[in-house]
Amino acid sequence: SQTIHQWPATLVQPVGSPLSLECTVEGTSNPNLYWYRQAAGRGLQLLFYSIGIDQISSEVPQNLSASRPQDRQFILSSKKLLLSDSGFYLCAWSAQITGRNEQFFGPGTRLTVL
Amino acid sequence: SQQGEEDPQALSIQEGENATMNCSYKTSINNLQWYRQNSGRGLVHLILIRSNEREKHSGRLRVTLDTSKKSSSLLITASRAADTASYFCATAFTGGGNKLTFGTGTQLKVEL
Repeated sequence: SQTIHQWPATLVQPVGSPLSLECTVEGTSNPNLYWYRQAAGRGLQLLFYSIGIDQISSEVPQNLSASRPQDRQFILSSKKLLLSDSGFYLCAWSAQITGRNEQFFGPGTRLTVL
Repeated sequence: SQQGEEDPQALSIQEGENATMNCSYKTSINNLQWYRQNSGRGLVHLILIRSNEREKHSGRLRVTLDTSKKSSSLLITASRAADTASYFCATAFTGGGNKLTFGTGTQLKVEL
């Protein structure tokens, strides 16, 4: 069966510090991968999605970047965090099958920038 | 924006009652999905309905889709306290590939 991991679970960082959040998927090959941010009590905002290694699309201009160094690894980064980067970050995967685009989410990372 | 909107934003019911949540969207879609999120957790996929389907069932869940009105509803029958969560609709809009656009969610509280 497929599983998706995210770490860390929680993170408190000062403004201006770097960020690296990691997401890995097990039990599937060549997944589509997604990074979302969720503000408190709000819906999900798609930040990045990837259909393959080094194939990443950015959905909104922002202070963040994403990389996919391996097929099942997706990393969200920032060189200098802003207060507005605080939020709940979710990684998800979906299969590369036409018509079956259900997404499966990791447990999330709660980021607080102080 | 193609983002869907759920209605109501919050819903509080008694255990055993039915809960109905609605979702509206703006563009042509390939399918519409419903997800559940427990507080502080990741989302869990509940059900997918394709654009050529009008109704779908899964256990105590019933989803309807009206593409002419660009709307969908999720009905949870005989609700339980464990159904307390936020529920989101997500649309796979035509030409969007595998991307989903999530709505703003309905917070459901089921009280004993």
